[in-house]
Amino acid sequence: ETGVTQTPRHLVMGMTNKKSLKCEQHLGHNAMYWYKQSAKKPLELMFVYSLEERVENNSVPSRFSPECPNSSHLFLHLHTLQPEDSALYLCASSQGLRLTNEKLFFGSGTQLSVL
Amino acid sequence: EDKVVQSPLSLVVHEGDTVTLNCSYEVTNFRSLLWYKQEKKAPTFLFMLTSSGIEKKSGRLSSILDKKELFSILNITATQTGDSAVYLCAVEDAGNNRKLIWGLGTSLAVNP
Repeated sequence: ETGVTQTPRHLVMGMTNKKSLKCEQHLGHNAMYWYKQSAKKPLELMFVYSLEERVENNSVPSRFSPECPNSSHLFLHLHTLQPEDSALYLCASSQGLRLTNEKLFFGSGTQLSVL
Repeated sequence: EDKVVQSPLSLVVHEGDTVTLNCSYEVTNFRSLLWYKQEKKAPTFLFMLTSSGIEKKSGRLSSILDKKELFSILNITATQTGDSAVYLCAVEDAGNNRKLIWGLGTSLAVNP
């Protein structure tokens, strides 16, 4: 148990659906991240939030929309996704306010399949 | 272009064997190198290395960094089936918002 909880664990959605991924951290951390992990590709950083403010957006398509209502919760809203968006979506948190990525604590991910 | 290359991509060993995983990097503004273990889904932190030649150790796992030759190794001695996982290496780029550049990982299977 890493202290970072993601739901749902698995999600299958059609290209016209709207769904949301949820992440909650119980570590008192100040920064939260969304990563995408696809087969045969390195981890891709999508978004970074520090104290609920988005500090990084790595050219992610607008069909992915993050939301950070407080420092413990992070959402990723999905709409009109493409089959190539099928991947494992990992949430992570870290203690520091800086953008340093030292000692990330990851959740178990949401395995997303887009049909 | 900055990159991190891990080798081998996959490895199958028997319990009790010793394994060495490699991570080489080309990153312009190196700050640190990190190792993570990903079993099932969630990567968990193993080591962070910043200085050459100083071994980090945790039980049967150890790691060392060579900043001259631009690589790190992760050693696992007396492997157990619980060591089966994907081992991820990442390098922190000091100049690019301290972004992490990840390798593809080494998939290790330890057979009884």
